[in-house]
Amino acid sequence: GAVVSQHPSRVICKSGTSVKIECRSLDFQATTMFWYRQFPKQSLMLMATSNEGSKATYEQGVEKDKFLINHASLTLSTLTVTSAHPEDSSFYICSAREAGSGANVLTFGAGSRLTVL
Amino acid sequence: AQTVTQSQPEMSVQEAETVTLSCTYDTSESNYYLFWYKQPPSRQMILVIRQEAYKQQNATENRFSVNFQKAAKSFSLKISDSQLGDTAMYFCAFMKLFSGAGSYQLTFGKGTKLSVIP
Repeated sequence: GAVVSQHPSRVICKSGTSVKIECRSLDFQATTMFWYRQFPKQSLMLMATSNEGSKATYEQGVEKDKFLINHASLTLSTLTVTSAHPEDSSFYICSAREAGSGANVLTFGAGSRLTVL
Repeated sequence: AQTVTQSQPEMSVQEAETVTLSCTYDTSESNYYLFWYKQPPSRQMILVIRQEAYKQQNATENRFSVNFQKAAKSFSLKISDSQLGDTAMYFCAFMKLFSGAGSYQLTFGKGTKLSVIP
């Protein structure tokens, strides 16, 4: 079945540094990928929609200059948290939709836990 | 905009028993999908079951089945013969289709924490 790899699974960084999280579709091409943020014991909140070859569409309230999203190929989207601060600490999850898929099922990565000290 | 409501923050069930998780949603869309996802302690989101809104027949996947009431905008999940491995957070989700902006985005409910008791 479809597999999405997300890396790193855990990252700890110092305040003010930038962190990049990768989301790769391993066995399918994904024209659309989505990035979510999940706080402890809460639901997934959509941050942005990433389309291959075009600018990401951000949800209201998400700072696009802080959360840089790049979808340079049909198998890779990246989320860069720039100038990270402790309040950016969270669990970040990506999902991908297979190109041409009529099933309309999203495959999720295993998530990345970011801790900003 | 769509909203998804899960009114049961936590539930528990004895092993081998049956449990039903409730979900209601609000939308003006006519074409959409509904999903139940499971998130175990590993945090990996796992698709449990999905339902196309245009289908009247309720979806089933082994021990998992749904009761889809389109007019009432209700989409409950029934887990039969509960197993210890079913312990997880369960999220109900809505996906809008074929409507340009926002297509294929998932809107999640707040989740129900299910504990299966031995």
